Amino acid sequence: EVQLVESGGALVQPGGSLRLSCAASGYTFSDHYMDWVRQAPGKGLEWVGRIRNKANSYTTEYAASVKGRLTISRDDSKNSIYLQMNSLKTEDAAVYYCTRVRDSSWSGSYSDYWGQGTLVAVSS
Amino acid sequence: DIQLTQSPSFLSASLGDRVTITCRPSQGISSYLSWYQQKPGKAPKLLIYTASTLQSGVPSRFSGSGSGAEFTLTISSLQPEDFATYYCQQHYTYPITFGQGTRLEIK
Repeated sequence: EVQLVESGGALVQPGGSLRLSCAASGYTFSDHYMDWVRQAPGKGLEWVGRIRNKANSYTTEYAASVKGRLTISRDDSKNSIYLQMNSLKTEDAAVYYCTRVRDSSWSGSYSDYWGQGTLVAVSS
Repeated sequence: DIQLTQSPSFLSASLGDRVTITCRPSQGISSYLSWYQQKPGKAPKLLIYTASTLQSGVPSRFSGSGSGAEFTLTISSLQPEDFATYYCQQHYTYPITFGQGTRLEIK
């Protein structure tokens, strides 16, 4: 059974930093791209970014709203991905979900499994 | 960026009704569109991918269709567990984008 478990959410002050983690199990983690998707309170879903697999050099893509401040990384030996969040703004407050991407083709470039989410609050 | 416009934003329907939600992209996305269901306090769940393929385990009352300028999600006969918010997502190009959501409530 595929499982994704996020952790690390917290209350942080504007301008602060935070690191989220997502631990995966139940499948061959190293084969898959992974995404972060967020949802501000009472709002819709917003794609944050993606990290590709080793075969694609662990390259990343980001939404314009987070580029330069949020960084995705992964450790295949730990079956985990991370979201380093720097220079946090109030508009970054959201539930952050990690998701598994079905496969590396564009036709398979959707999220087939989601974690339960971790809450990030940004306030002074 | 590709914008996805869902309609309606809010839908009130009764058990057993047939409902259709529409998603219109601002430019062509081939068939690279997925649909998700989200219940309050829960993570989204994949229903449909590549416009019309039903995810394993999803009831057959859900179906997707369309290509190019308009896509639809249809629920053939509403069940109590179907009352939720539905999102479309394009996975044709970066940045990946979602529609604004359609909230489906019991009439």
